[in-house]
Amino acid sequence: NAGVTQTPKFQVLKTGQSMTLQCAQDMNHNSMYWYRQDPGMGLRLIYYSASEGTTDKGEVPNGYNVSRLNKREFSLRLESAAPSQTSVYFCASSEGGGFGYTFGSGTRLTVV
Amino acid sequence: AQSVTQLGSHVSVSEGALVLLRCNYSSSVPPYLFWYVQYPNQGLQLLLKYTTGATLVKGINGFEAEFKKSETSFHLTKPSAHMSDAAEYFCAVSGRVGYGNKLVFGAGTILRVKS
Repeated sequence: NAGVTQTPKFQVLKTGQSMTLQCAQDMNHNSMYWYRQDPGMGLRLIYYSASEGTTDKGEVPNGYNVSRLNKREFSLRLESAAPSQTSVYFCASSEGGGFGYTFGSGTRLTVV
Repeated sequence: AQSVTQLGSHVSVSEGALVLLRCNYSSSVPPYLFWYVQYPNQGLQLLLKYTTGATLVKGINGFEAEFKKSETSFHLTKPSAHMSDAAEYFCAVSGRVGYGNKLVFGAGTILRVKS
């Protein structure tokens, strides 16, 4: 069982460059999420998709866009990377209700 | 709005000692509550959860947590720490209803286990 797969695992960008973080889940979950993790701040929600065809902003959406390509895939795009976006990014999926999330292994992004 | 406070960003215990990681939440409705563990350079793994029913819930690796509504707490405990328990632990809360079942996380507690 692959669960939630994120690519790439590591990435270094120059300020102003763009990139897309990919996420795919094979558990037939309806909901998918993108979080960023920074030291001492826990995980903060960037965007989420409650179901295929819908996306909504989370706590820290500025500088990001998302696409729910289909039920399996949810991508996160940085159009013009900034050093403040240096972070570890986690994708997660959920059946909803009290089931909690299944997380990917993360993408470590450095913007120089 | 929901929020989570984890008391103590770092906790250090000796091997074999009691582990107690504190979590208090704020929620306007009865919440779902979770503890996750993160080992270095890995994703988050679900330790245990409270949704309904018995307020003392048991999870993996010998951990348990008790939901205390009157104290708005969901502290994580383990009777005897093992070296392999060294990791970062996150408490999280979500509402029972609402769009997208969003989890709100605490800032995390790094557990160090001394030999």
